[in-house]
Amino acid sequence: KAGVTQTPRYLIKTRGQQVTLSCSPISGHRSVSWYQQTPGQGLQFLFEYFSETQRNKGNFPGRFSGRQFSNSRSEMNVSTLELGDSALYLCASSLGGEAYEQYFGPGTRLTVT
Amino acid sequence: KQEVTQIPAALSVPEGENLVLNCSFTDSAIYNLQWFRQDPGKGLTSLLLIQSSQREQTSGRLNASLDKSSGRSTLYIAASQPGDSATYLCAVRGPGANNLFFGTGTRLTVIP
Repeated sequence: KAGVTQTPRYLIKTRGQQVTLSCSPISGHRSVSWYQQTPGQGLQFLFEYFSETQRNKGNFPGRFSGRQFSNSRSEMNVSTLELGDSALYLCASSLGGEAYEQYFGPGTRLTVT
Repeated sequence: KQEVTQIPAALSVPEGENLVLNCSFTDSAIYNLQWFRQDPGKGLTSLLLIQSSQREQTSGRLNASLDKSSGRSTLYIAASQPGDSATYLCAVRGPGANNLFFGTGTRLTVIP
């Protein structure tokens, strides 16, 4: 079974621009979560989608948004990029219940200049 | 709010040693705990998942234990190898929460 895939793997953007990241979960998984990882803050939860509905949201500004499609693929969008948005963005997929293991993708490295 | 702490932050051991990584969490009302490893610049690889009703899980040279009442978990690595060098992260999930709360990680270096 193929793992979680994320595209693109690397991105360089300029302050003020917007960016869209994509995540394809493991086949059959209906839950997709997004996390931001930075050296200073560690891994922080952004949001989680299940069956095209946002179920849970972390403490991030409204510039961070996401969506999930009917095939469970998910995208996250960051508008009006700031230097502090430079991070590794990870997505994780699972079957959806609380008991299930989360599987992470390789991440998208975003650099904002 | 759940807080997860991992001690030590960094650990260096010679090859072949057995070692223990520690994870503690402030709210014992967790649903499960998951251990991950992360290689530099890479994503997270799931190592072990322990449900709240379980005491331990084993996979190969890895053994993870969970003491929910005291808010602690340990990851035991037997006969360490240079390929075990990575950052190890623990994460907990609480009832009703669909997200994981992560510790800050332990960076392990196994010296050949």
